[in-house]
Amino acid sequence: TQLLEQSPQFLSIQEGENLTVYCNSSSVFSSLQWYRQEPGEGPVLLVTVVTGGEVKKLKRLTFQFGDARKDSSLHITAAQPGDTGLYLCAGARFSGTYKYIFGTGTRLKVLA
Amino acid sequence: EAGVAQSPRYKIIEKRQSVAFWCNPISGHATLYWYQQILGQGPKLLIQFQNNGVVDDSQLPKDRFSAERLKGVDSTLKIQPAKLEDSAVYLCASSLAGPSYEQYFGPGTRLTVT
Repeated sequence: TQLLEQSPQFLSIQEGENLTVYCNSSSVFSSLQWYRQEPGEGPVLLVTVVTGGEVKKLKRLTFQFGDARKDSSLHITAAQPGDTGLYLCAGARFSGTYKYIFGTGTRLKVLA
Repeated sequence: EAGVAQSPRYKIIEKRQSVAFWCNPISGHATLYWYQQILGQGPKLLIQFQNNGVVDDSQLPKDRFSAERLKGVDSTLKIQPAKLEDSAVYLCASSLAGPSYEQYFGPGTRLTVT
């Protein structure tokens, strides 16, 4: 099984701080998605990146896909308590059909 | 647009008992996924359907888990017999086909095996 390792595993910060979550693999992916999951709910898509080196911004969130399409990062500026949740990356690879592998997850808690 | 529906939301069973989960995907989504998520971890793919055919079940413990997708729409996942380590949230998701399409997840079924 190909693994997507996320770091850090846990993160507790104060409101207003900045943070970066990393998603790393030794495999190349066709695309990379970031999801956020809240307790008792399924993951919800935040962004999809497709091109190596691609950077996408979603308000205070900045997503980057590595040049080699093996890794990605999520940067949150001025974190807010509403950003609290489990952040998951998911890589898509083609093997007859497109298959997704989810990362190990980063649990973020933003304190007011 | 209606989301992915799952039932039941919660289930408590004893080990060696059987359990079944149901999923109704978003209309028109050809791809359906079943994931197992241990508390605090990322989801692990159990089985992926394209219409009513299986495209990946490499991580499905086939000695106890089975799944089917009737007429390419609804799906059921069954565990028989359950073990303590099967305690987890079982997530169903659906999507259009392709590498960039969003997976829409249901709320999941939390299974506790005692």
